[in-house]
Amino acid sequence: QKEVEQDPGPLSVPEGAIVSLNCTYSNSAFQYFMWYRQYSRKGPELLMYTYSSGNKEDGRFTAQVDKSSKYISLFIRDSQPSDSATYLCAMSALEAGANSKLTFGKGITLSVRP
Amino acid sequence: DAGITQSPRHKVTETGTPVTLRCHQTENHRYMYWYRQDPGHGLRLIHYSYGVKDTDKGEVSDGYSVSRSKTEDFLLTLESATSSQTSVYFCAIPGQGDTGANVLTFGAGSRLTVL
Repeated sequence: QKEVEQDPGPLSVPEGAIVSLNCTYSNSAFQYFMWYRQYSRKGPELLMYTYSSGNKEDGRFTAQVDKSSKYISLFIRDSQPSDSATYLCAMSALEAGANSKLTFGKGITLSVRP
Repeated sequence: DAGITQSPRHKVTETGTPVTLRCHQTENHRYMYWYRQDPGHGLRLIHYSYGVKDTDKGEVSDGYSVSRSKTEDFLLTLESATSSQTSVYFCAIPGQGDTGANVLTFGAGSRLTVL
């Protein structure tokens, strides 16, 4: 079993839909959870960052972490065509200032149809 | 991609030739990372550096070497390129905004094709 599993894609939704993206993990030492967004032929950019369990909201985006289930989610409300991108989950076990080696999911490509 | 640049952005080479990719940062970070991204595999760590002349292997280091002679530059070398090394290579440094060092900021990528 890989350390981080991400739902396979691609995913296509109509504009305005609520999108749910998910990852599961096996390493209970992971404490820091991230979602990156990557547009075609660009580098990944940080979208959401969460420490430990709980929810974090930023505009139309909500990140959820359930450490007891080893499950993280990213919700996108009122999805827009500009949200069309590849979304990667990433996780780290170490504290700030230390080696920031991240373990990534494989990524899921989202397409939002106008 | 502020603070981190990669060169070249695109390269086509032939099997058996040496290739060097360069990552340059202006943030004075100790840590720098090289990842490769392939369909079906996501981002995988090749090598990382934790200071000048201090480097260590990641999960897919075979066939790659790195060097860090200055804080700002981290070089990735394919001594004898193979077709399996056709990929997009990303350099990364820690930190973005107020998130501290637990996240990575990525460069724009170097797309390498080995024929």
